[in-house]
Amino acid sequence: EDKVVQSPLSLVVHEGDTVTLNCSYEVTNFRSLLWYKQEKKAPTFLFMLTSSGIEKKSGRLSSILDKKELFSILNITATQTGDSAVYLCAANAGGTSYGKLTFGQGTILTVHP
Amino acid sequence: GAVVSQHPSRVICKSGTSVKIECRSLDFQATTMFWYRQFPKQSLMLMATSNEGSKATYEQGVEKDKFLINHASLTLSTLTVTSAHPEDSSFYICSAIPRGRPGVNTEAFFGQGTRLTVV
Repeated sequence: EDKVVQSPLSLVVHEGDTVTLNCSYEVTNFRSLLWYKQEKKAPTFLFMLTSSGIEKKSGRLSSILDKKELFSILNITATQTGDSAVYLCAANAGGTSYGKLTFGQGTILTVHP
Repeated sequence: GAVVSQHPSRVICKSGTSVKIECRSLDFQATTMFWYRQFPKQSLMLMATSNEGSKATYEQGVEKDKFLINHASLTLSTLTVTSAHPEDSSFYICSAIPRGRPGVNTEAFFGQGTRLTVV
Protein backbone atom coordinates (compact mmCIF):
# COMPACT_ATOMS: atom_id res chain seq x y z
CA GLU A 1 0.00 0.00 0.00
CA ASP A 2 1.30 3.45 -0.94
CA LYS A 3 2.33 5.57 2.01
CA VAL A 4 3.48 9.15 2.64
CA VAL A 5 4.69 10.26 6.07
CA GLN A 6 5.35 13.85 7.09
CA SER A 7 7.23 15.21 10.06
CA PRO A 8 6.92 17.04 12.28
CA LEU A 9 3.14 16.98 12.58
CA SER A 10 3.18 20.47 14.02
CA LEU A 11 5.70 23.24 14.41
CA VAL A 12 5.56 26.58 16.20
CA VAL A 13 8.15 29.24 15.37
CA HIS A 14 8.65 32.98 15.50
CA GLU A 15 8.80 35.32 12.55
CA GLY A 16 12.20 35.28 10.93
CA ASP A 17 12.96 31.65 11.80
CA THR A 18 13.83 29.07 9.16
CA VAL A 19 11.88 25.82 9.09
CA THR A 20 12.41 22.46 7.39
CA LEU A 21 9.48 20.16 6.75
CA ASN A 22 10.07 16.51 5.96
CA CYS A 23 8.28 14.04 3.74
CA SER A 24 9.10 10.39 3.15
CA TYR A 25 7.26 8.15 0.74
CA GLU A 26 6.79 4.58 -0.37
CA VAL A 27 4.88 4.55 -3.62
CA THR A 28 4.67 1.92 -6.31
CA ASN A 29 5.57 3.32 -9.72
CA PHE A 30 6.48 6.72 -8.27
CA ARG A 31 6.32 9.62 -10.69
CA SER A 32 6.49 12.91 -8.78
CA LEU A 33 6.31 14.48 -5.35
CA LEU A 34 4.14 17.53 -4.79
CA TRP A 35 3.97 20.08 -2.01
CA TYR A 36 0.83 22.05 -1.19
CA LYS A 37 -0.09 24.78 1.25
CA GLN A 38 -3.56 24.56 2.76
CA GLU A 39 -5.14 27.39 4.67
CA LYS A 40 -8.87 27.36 5.15
CA LYS A 41 -9.93 25.85 1.87
CA ALA A 42 -8.45 23.68 -0.86
CA PRO A 43 -4.70 23.13 -1.16
CA THR A 44 -2.69 25.54 -3.27
CA PHE A 45 0.17 24.15 -5.31
CA LEU A 46 3.73 24.95 -4.29
CA PHE A 47 6.16 22.59 -6.02
CA MET A 48 6.34 19.47 -8.12
CA LEU A 49 9.56 17.46 -7.95
CA THR A 50 10.49 14.69 -10.31
CA SER A 51 14.29 14.56 -10.33
CA SER A 52 16.69 13.94 -7.48
CA GLY A 53 18.97 16.67 -6.25
CA ILE A 54 17.48 19.55 -8.20
CA GLU A 55 16.29 22.30 -5.89
CA LYS A 56 13.14 24.16 -6.79
CA LYS A 57 12.81 27.65 -5.41
CA SER A 58 10.03 30.20 -5.14
CA GLY A 59 10.82 33.25 -3.04
CA ARG A 60 11.52 32.12 0.50
CA LEU A 61 10.39 28.57 -0.19
CA SER A 62 12.52 25.83 -1.64
CA SER A 63 12.25 22.09 -1.97
CA ILE A 64 14.37 19.16 -3.02
CA LEU A 65 13.82 15.46 -3.68
CA ASP A 66 16.03 12.46 -2.94
CA LYS A 67 14.72 9.51 -4.95
CA LYS A 68 17.33 7.15 -3.53
CA GLU A 69 16.29 7.79 0.06
CA LEU A 70 12.61 8.36 -0.92
CA PHE A 71 12.57 11.68 0.82
CA SER A 72 11.80 15.33 0.23
CA ILE A 73 12.16 18.50 2.28
CA LEU A 74 10.47 21.86 2.10
CA ASN A 75 12.40 24.82 3.48
CA ILE A 76 10.93 28.17 4.41
CA THR A 77 13.37 30.92 5.31
CA ALA A 78 12.59 34.17 7.14
CA THR A 79 9.14 32.92 8.06
CA GLN A 80 6.21 35.32 8.25
CA THR A 81 2.84 35.02 9.99
CA GLY A 82 1.28 34.53 6.57
CA ASP A 83 3.19 31.27 6.25
CA SER A 84 1.00 29.76 8.97
CA ALA A 85 -0.86 26.91 7.32
CA VAL A 86 -0.94 23.17 6.89
CA TYR A 87 1.73 21.96 4.47
CA LEU A 88 0.89 18.78 2.63
CA CYS A 89 3.13 16.61 0.56
CA ALA A 90 1.70 14.09 -1.86
CA ALA A 91 3.17 11.39 -4.06
CA ASN A 92 1.90 11.00 -7.61
CA ALA A 93 1.98 7.53 -9.10
CA GLY A 94 2.41 6.78 -12.77
CA GLY A 95 0.87 4.36 -15.19
CA THR A 96 -2.81 3.68 -14.72
CA SER A 97 -2.68 5.45 -11.34
CA TYR A 98 -1.34 8.71 -12.81
CA GLY A 99 -2.73 11.71 -10.97
CA LYS A 100 -3.88 9.64 -8.02
CA LEU A 101 -2.24 11.43 -5.10
CA THR A 102 -1.36 9.84 -1.80
CA PHE A 103 -1.15 12.54 0.83
CA GLY A 104 0.84 12.71 4.03
CA GLN A 105 -0.80 13.74 7.27
CA GLY A 106 0.35 17.32 6.89
CA THR A 107 2.53 19.58 9.01
CA ILE A 108 0.72 22.36 10.86
CA LEU A 109 3.02 25.38 10.86
CA THR A 110 2.27 28.26 13.21
CA VAL A 111 4.37 31.41 12.92
CA HIS A 112 4.08 33.87 15.80
CA PRO A 113 4.89 37.56 15.37
CA GLY B 1 -2.90 28.50 -14.55
CA ALA B 2 -5.54 25.85 -14.98
CA VAL B 3 -8.77 26.45 -13.07
CA VAL B 4 -11.05 23.91 -11.46
CA SER B 5 -14.38 25.15 -10.16
CA GLN B 6 -16.27 23.23 -7.51
CA HIS B 7 -19.83 24.00 -6.54
CA PRO B 8 -21.36 24.51 -4.04
CA SER B 9 -18.67 25.69 -1.65
CA ARG B 10 -20.85 25.01 1.35
CA VAL B 11 -24.04 23.01 1.83
CA ILE B 12 -26.17 22.05 4.78
CA CYS B 13 -28.68 19.28 4.29
CA LYS B 14 -31.02 17.16 6.35
CA SER B 15 -30.24 13.60 7.21
CA GLY B 16 -31.60 11.20 4.59
CA THR B 17 -31.47 13.62 1.68
CA SER B 18 -29.03 13.58 -1.26
CA VAL B 19 -26.52 16.24 -2.18
CA LYS B 20 -24.82 16.77 -5.53
CA ILE B 21 -21.39 18.38 -5.81
CA GLU B 22 -20.04 19.52 -9.18
CA CYS B 23 -16.45 19.74 -10.30
CA ARG B 24 -15.67 21.56 -13.54
CA SER B 25 -12.39 22.14 -15.32
CA LEU B 26 -12.86 25.60 -16.80
CA ASP B 27 -10.03 25.95 -19.26
CA PHE B 28 -8.81 22.45 -19.96
CA GLN B 29 -10.11 18.97 -20.62
CA ALA B 30 -9.72 16.29 -18.00
CA THR B 31 -10.31 12.65 -18.81
CA THR B 32 -9.68 11.87 -15.17
CA MET B 33 -10.83 13.64 -12.03
CA PHE B 34 -10.37 12.61 -8.43
CA TRP B 35 -12.56 13.02 -5.39
CA TYR B 36 -11.04 13.41 -1.93
CA ARG B 37 -12.53 13.73 1.51
CA GLN B 38 -10.93 15.56 4.40
CA PHE B 39 -12.12 15.25 7.99
CA PRO B 40 -11.20 18.00 10.47
CA LYS B 41 -7.49 18.07 11.28
CA GLN B 42 -6.83 15.15 8.98
CA SER B 43 -5.26 14.85 5.56
CA LEU B 44 -6.95 14.31 2.23
CA MET B 45 -8.08 10.77 1.57
CA LEU B 46 -8.79 9.66 -1.96
CA MET B 47 -12.34 8.38 -2.36
CA ALA B 48 -12.56 7.58 -6.05
CA THR B 49 -11.20 8.17 -9.50
CA SER B 50 -13.70 9.54 -11.98
CA ASN B 51 -13.16 8.50 -15.58
CA GLU B 52 -14.91 10.22 -18.46
CA GLY B 53 -17.23 7.85 -20.23
CA SER B 54 -16.74 4.92 -17.89
CA LYS B 55 -17.44 3.81 -14.35
CA ALA B 56 -15.62 5.40 -11.45
CA THR B 57 -13.00 3.45 -9.54
CA TYR B 58 -13.56 3.51 -5.79
CA GLU B 59 -10.96 3.15 -3.08
CA GLN B 60 -11.27 0.39 -0.55
CA GLY B 61 -13.87 1.15 2.09
CA VAL B 62 -15.76 3.74 0.03
CA GLU B 63 -19.35 2.73 -0.71
CA LYS B 64 -20.05 3.21 -4.40
CA ASP B 65 -23.82 3.12 -3.90
CA LYS B 66 -23.59 5.93 -1.39
CA PHE B 67 -21.15 8.14 -3.26
CA LEU B 68 -22.34 8.21 -6.85
CA ILE B 69 -19.90 9.61 -9.36
CA ASN B 70 -20.77 10.65 -12.88
CA HIS B 71 -18.18 11.96 -15.33
CA ALA B 72 -20.44 12.94 -18.18
CA SER B 73 -18.02 15.11 -20.15
CA LEU B 74 -14.36 16.03 -20.38
CA THR B 75 -14.94 19.05 -18.15
CA LEU B 76 -17.49 17.89 -15.58
CA SER B 77 -17.61 15.29 -12.83
CA THR B 78 -20.31 15.11 -10.16
CA LEU B 79 -20.34 13.46 -6.77
CA THR B 80 -23.72 12.71 -5.24
CA VAL B 81 -23.86 11.82 -1.57
CA THR B 82 -27.03 9.75 -1.26
CA SER B 83 -29.07 9.34 1.91
CA ALA B 84 -26.66 11.57 3.77
CA HIS B 85 -25.93 10.98 7.44
CA PRO B 86 -24.23 13.28 9.95
CA GLU B 87 -21.06 11.15 9.71
CA ASP B 88 -20.83 12.15 6.03
CA SER B 89 -20.20 15.72 7.14
CA SER B 90 -16.79 16.55 5.77
CA PHE B 91 -14.81 18.66 3.32
CA TYR B 92 -14.98 17.19 -0.18
CA ILE B 93 -12.41 18.26 -2.76
CA CYS B 94 -12.02 17.34 -6.39
CA SER B 95 -8.90 17.51 -8.51
CA ALA B 96 -8.33 17.25 -12.22
CA ILE B 97 -5.35 16.39 -14.37
CA PRO B 98 -5.12 18.22 -17.69
CA ARG B 99 -5.13 15.86 -20.61
CA GLY B 100 -1.66 15.94 -22.08
CA ARG B 101 0.96 14.06 -24.01
CA PRO B 102 2.13 10.78 -22.45
CA GLY B 103 5.09 11.30 -20.19
CA VAL B 104 4.42 14.96 -19.51
CA ASN B 105 4.24 15.75 -15.80
CA THR B 106 1.43 18.04 -14.81
CA GLU B 107 0.29 18.78 -11.31
CA ALA B 108 -3.21 18.11 -10.10
CA PHE B 109 -5.42 21.19 -9.93
CA PHE B 110 -7.87 21.34 -7.06
CA GLY B 111 -11.32 22.75 -6.81
CA GLN B 112 -12.15 25.08 -3.93
CA GLY B 113 -13.75 22.29 -1.95
CA THR B 114 -17.27 21.76 -0.61
CA ARG B 115 -17.99 21.76 3.09
CA LEU B 116 -20.93 19.43 3.67
CA THR B 117 -22.82 19.52 6.94
CA VAL B 118 -25.56 16.96 7.49
CA VAL B 119 -27.96 17.81 10.30
